[in-house]
Amino acid sequence: EAGVAQSPRYKIIEKRQSVAFWCNPISGHATLYWYQQILGQGPKLLIQFQNNGVVDDSQLPKDRFSAERLKGVDSTLKIQPAKLEDSAVYLCASSQLFGRVNTEAFFGQGTRLTVV
Amino acid sequence: AQTVTQSQPEMSVQEAETVTLSCTYDTSESDYYLFWYKQPPSRQMILVIRQEAYKQQNATENRFSVNFQKAAKSFSLKISDSQLGDAAMYFCAYRSANGNQFYFGTGTSLTVIP
Repeated sequence: EAGVAQSPRYKIIEKRQSVAFWCNPISGHATLYWYQQILGQGPKLLIQFQNNGVVDDSQLPKDRFSAERLKGVDSTLKIQPAKLEDSAVYLCASSQLFGRVNTEAFFGQGTRLTVV
Repeated sequence: AQTVTQSQPEMSVQEAETVTLSCTYDTSESDYYLFWYKQPPSRQMILVIRQEAYKQQNATENRFSVNFQKAAKSFSLKISDSQLGDAAMYFCAYRSANGNQFYFGTGTSLTVIP
């Protein structure tokens, strides 16, 4: 079974530039999460989708971050314009929606963003 | 929002010994799921063990087991016969029954001493 795919693995940009990350979840997983993980900290949930609808985006800095999952499959997360404090690893995860099995989230390898 | 607290930023254990990592959480729900994830330096988050809140029996996966105390909202991870490959960041996570919240603690960095 293919896992969660993310690209790119690494990205270096200057502040005020734009950047986009892509995620393809495990096939059949209705729920998709984007997390921001700053070095030495735990993952912070930015946005959660169920199919193509947003379930929780309460911690997404909406003035500069946006995310979409138009067809309920893959997703993109965009930052425009980037700030130095956006330097972090951006993790994508997916999980099944229903049932009491496979309730965990499966993670991609993440994208390490460095803003200089 | 639910919160997950890991009070031990760093822990160390001698190889072949046992170590326990602590986690507490805050929730008003009666049905939920708890997880321990491992994140090696390669940074891919890997599930170690899961616990369903409706189950009284503590989950066990080979050398990994949990002590789930629902009333105390405590969920600790015990690693027996520690191995060098167990060295990593360990995160405790909470997921609501409807899946609408999936939150992580701040992590515990585990060092295994040869």
